[in-house]
Amino acid sequence: AQSVTQLDSQVPVFEEAPVELRCNYSSSVSVYLFWYVQYPNQGLQLLLKYLSGSTLVESINGFEAEFNKSQTSFHLRKPSVHISDTAEYFCAVSLSGGYNKLIFGAGTRLAVHP
Amino acid sequence: EAGVAQSPRYKIIEKRQSVAFWCNPISGHATLYWYQQILGQGPKLLIQFQNNGVVDDSQLPKDRFSAERLKGVDSTLKIQPAKLEDSAVYLCASTPWGLNEQFFGPGTRLTVL
Repeated sequence: AQSVTQLDSQVPVFEEAPVELRCNYSSSVSVYLFWYVQYPNQGLQLLLKYLSGSTLVESINGFEAEFNKSQTSFHLRKPSVHISDTAEYFCAVSLSGGYNKLIFGAGTRLAVHP
Repeated sequence: EAGVAQSPRYKIIEKRQSVAFWCNPISGHATLYWYQQILGQGPKLLIQFQNNGVVDDSQLPKDRFSAERLKGVDSTLKIQPAKLEDSAVYLCASTPWGLNEQFFGPGTRLTVL
C-alpha cells in the first residue's frame, strides 16, 4: 500500500522569502507524484506532477518540485512567495499506469505574511 | 471548457437523515471519483467509476453510502442514514482518457448535527 507524509502541518513565511513544503511517500511499486493547491472554499487545483523523465518539475507560477527516488521525497519549493500563495497544499501519489486513485497527505497550510 | 460541477455547495442535516450529492464531470471524461475530505485531513477516495462501472469502492461504507453513475456521465452519492462523523467536504473529480490528471469540483460541504 502507498502512503504520504507531509512533515509540516503549517508553514508561516514572510512575503518574498523562499519556502519548502516537505513530502515523503512510501510505496513498494512505481508511483506518480502530484502537488495540489486548495484555496479557501474551493476545490483542489493541480500545481505540478511527476510521471516520468526529468526529476525536476515546474509549475507556471514559480513552484518547483524534485522527485528523489532514493529518499522517497517530492518536496515543493518556491524561491520567493507572494501573499496570494497563501493556501493549503496537498502532496499525493498514485500507482503508475492507468487511472488510479490519489492517496493524499494531510496537507500543509502555507501562510504568507506581509 | 466548463469544469466539474457539484451541487449543492452546502448542506446541513440532522443525524439519521438522508442526503444526496450530485456531480457532473467535464464532458468526455470517462473516469469519475468521489473523495471525502474531513477537516484537517487530506481527501480519501470513496468510489471510482470508469464509465458506468465501479473500479474501486473498497473504502465506501456500504451500509450507509451508495453511489451510481447510470449513464456514464453524471453521478449521485447518497448517505442514508447520516452520522455525525460524516461531516466533511465531498469532492468529485474526473479524468480524461489519456491524461493522468484529476480535475476537481468545488465540493459539497456537509454538516451533520
